[in-house]
Amino acid sequence: QQQVKQSPQSLIVQKGGISIINCAYENTAFDYFPWYQQFPGKGPALLIAIRPDVSEKKEGRFTISFNKSAKQFSLHIMDSQPGDSATYFCAASSYRGSTLGRLYFGRGTQLTVWP
Amino acid sequence: DTGVSQNPRHKITKRGQNVTFRCDPISEHNRLYWYRQTLGQGPEFLTYFQNEAQLEKSRLLSDRFSAERPKGSFSTLEIQRTEQGDSAMYLCASSLGTGRGYTFGSGTRLTVV
Repeated sequence: QQQVKQSPQSLIVQKGGISIINCAYENTAFDYFPWYQQFPGKGPALLIAIRPDVSEKKEGRFTISFNKSAKQFSLHIMDSQPGDSATYFCAASSYRGSTLGRLYFGRGTQLTVWP
Repeated sequence: DTGVSQNPRHKITKRGQNVTFRCDPISEHNRLYWYRQTLGQGPEFLTYFQNEAQLEKSRLLSDRFSAERPKGSFSTLEIQRTEQGDSAMYLCASSLGTGRGYTFGSGTRLTVV
């Protein structure tokens, strides 16, 4: 059972455009929602993360929007660049109970930014 | 010590053989995690350690899998009697304290032929 559902599976955006990736979750115990970026042959790298007490977090060109009532969160990449072409994963974890620190990942979005 | 180091980067083995992977976490990080990633999927949790104690194991971690973290430093993941379904990228990550900000290594890609 996929704890975190991610869409779309792939995304093609022109340089300078906005890339939007969406995720949804069911487990209301989740209280930490990171996004990871992964290049081929590399491990995932933490991009940005949010906690459910805020609705938006921005770091440079990357913004997370969080909707607690809908149990959804999304990543927006503004002014997308060819160097942003990578696979993006949303994830969620809970700091309570036996799953302390364990991350549940979405299936990933392959982003391609055309020059 | 600038990151999480995993060795080897690639491993090709014949079905039925045993393999062992090593992970060297960031030195001050007390938590260490193992994940498995197959093509087109997100990483799936296998197990994690706080210092030398193994605190949780996923159901994905069959009896053929064993992980250790002696003295709370590096960790090893051993797979016995490998099967073709074990072919995947094995990722190690470490974190300090709450486990929020993981740092992943580049992984070990296992191919079982």
